[in-house]
Amino acid sequence: GNSVTQMEGPVTLSEEAFLTINCTYTATGYPSLFWYVQYPGEGLQLLLKATKADDKGSNKGFEATYRKETTSFHLEKGSVQVSDSAVYFCALSDPNTGNQFYFGTGTSLTVIP
Amino acid sequence: DSGVTQTPKHLITATGQRVTLRCSPRSGDLSVYWYQQSLDQGLQFLIQYYNGEERAKGNILERFSAQQFPDLHSELNLSSLELGDSALYFCASKSDGDTGELFFGEGSRLTVL
Repeated sequence: GNSVTQMEGPVTLSEEAFLTINCTYTATGYPSLFWYVQYPGEGLQLLLKATKADDKGSNKGFEATYRKETTSFHLEKGSVQVSDSAVYFCALSDPNTGNQFYFGTGTSLTVIP
Repeated sequence: DSGVTQTPKHLITATGQRVTLRCSPRSGDLSVYWYQQSLDQGLQFLIQYYNGEERAKGNILERFSAQQFPDLHSELNLSSLELGDSALYFCASKSDGDTGELFFGEGSRLTVL
């Protein structure tokens, strides 16, 4: 079946540090992969996505590359800011299952000045 | 603004009661998804509708039900409420196609006392 496993949190970083949040997936078909971000008190917002192998999604300095060989979609940012403090969710959607979405458990990030 | 509207934003009620949460999807989106987010269980998929028809069911309790109306808005009905039903309930909508993302509303926070 389909599933997403992401790095346990919480993660605490100093401002300007490098961020990596690991995400691996299991899928029966050719899924699309997503990173969503949830700021305190808000709903989930799409951060970036990739729809096929070797695609790189990027937005607001965040990047993630769809790696089919390692079934991974790790989120990276070179220099985090305090405003990046949020919960990050990795997700996949599988057209073979009627576009069901499968979410990871979320990783809480706190960036301190 | 995602274009997905949820009401009410906050709801406080007592055990044993029944509530209805409402969702208006983005203009043109036929798919509506409902999720429950609680502190200890992350984001749990409840149910999906497509153009008025139930498409998939997740971990939705028998006390909960949902429907999508001809104008595409959706309602989630929660009955015989228990303390453990206290959570954020999110609605999301999606356009047709296999690679599109979910657009989330801001959620309805339910507190059962």
